Amino acid sequence: AQTVTQSQPEMSVQEAETVTLSCTYDTSESDYYLFWYKQPPSRQMILVIRQEAYKQQNATENRFSVNFQKAAKSFSLKISDSQLGDAAMYFCAYRGRDTGNQFYFGTGTSLTVIP
Amino acid sequence: DVKVTQSSRYLVKRTGEKVFLECVQDMDHENMFWYRQDPGLGLRLIYFSYDVKMKEKGDIPEGYSVSREKKERFSLILESASTNQTSMYLCASRRRGTGVLETQYFGPGTRLLVL
Repeated sequence: AQTVTQSQPEMSVQEAETVTLSCTYDTSESDYYLFWYKQPPSRQMILVIRQEAYKQQNATENRFSVNFQKAAKSFSLKISDSQLGDAAMYFCAYRGRDTGNQFYFGTGTSLTVIP
Repeated sequence: DVKVTQSSRYLVKRTGEKVFLECVQDMDHENMFWYRQDPGLGLRLIYFSYDVKMKEKGDIPEGYSVSREKKERFSLILESASTNQTSMYLCASRRRGTGVLETQYFGPGTRLLVL
């Protein structure tokens, strides 16, 4: 089975600063998708950003961007101009293109934003 | 917007009780999932269903069963609740397909305490 590793259980960032959350994964598949999800305290988990493995260009969504290094199997999330509303648990997830329905999640990184 | 709802936000049950967790989605998604979320362990897949009356075991199915009698509804059943099933339970759904756009949409979660 694929594994997804988030080595930072907790991170903190000063408001308006930039923070990078790391994620590595292990797979033998050549085509797959990677996701970052955000789970605010007591609120629903939502998708932040997604990346197709065959695309060289890193995905960007407003203040959120990824650094996808396929050879290194690394998929980090960069949050620029951090806001108080960014405080949440962030999960990295993997899904193989052809291996069906299952998503594999990391253990999460809890992000604190300091005013 | 996709809406995934879960029948309860908080639930307290006694050891040995039969527990039903209900999940409903309103976007005609074929696939539905049940996860449990525990600190330090991330999200772990219990069961998923890819069609009405169809189900597949995830990574931790022991002690759980599921039912999908209608496309929009996916139930998780704890036949005889035990204290080690105290957890946050998340339901998710997504459209059938292998593309990156077929991401998962999550419900708000049910926090279950088994005494």
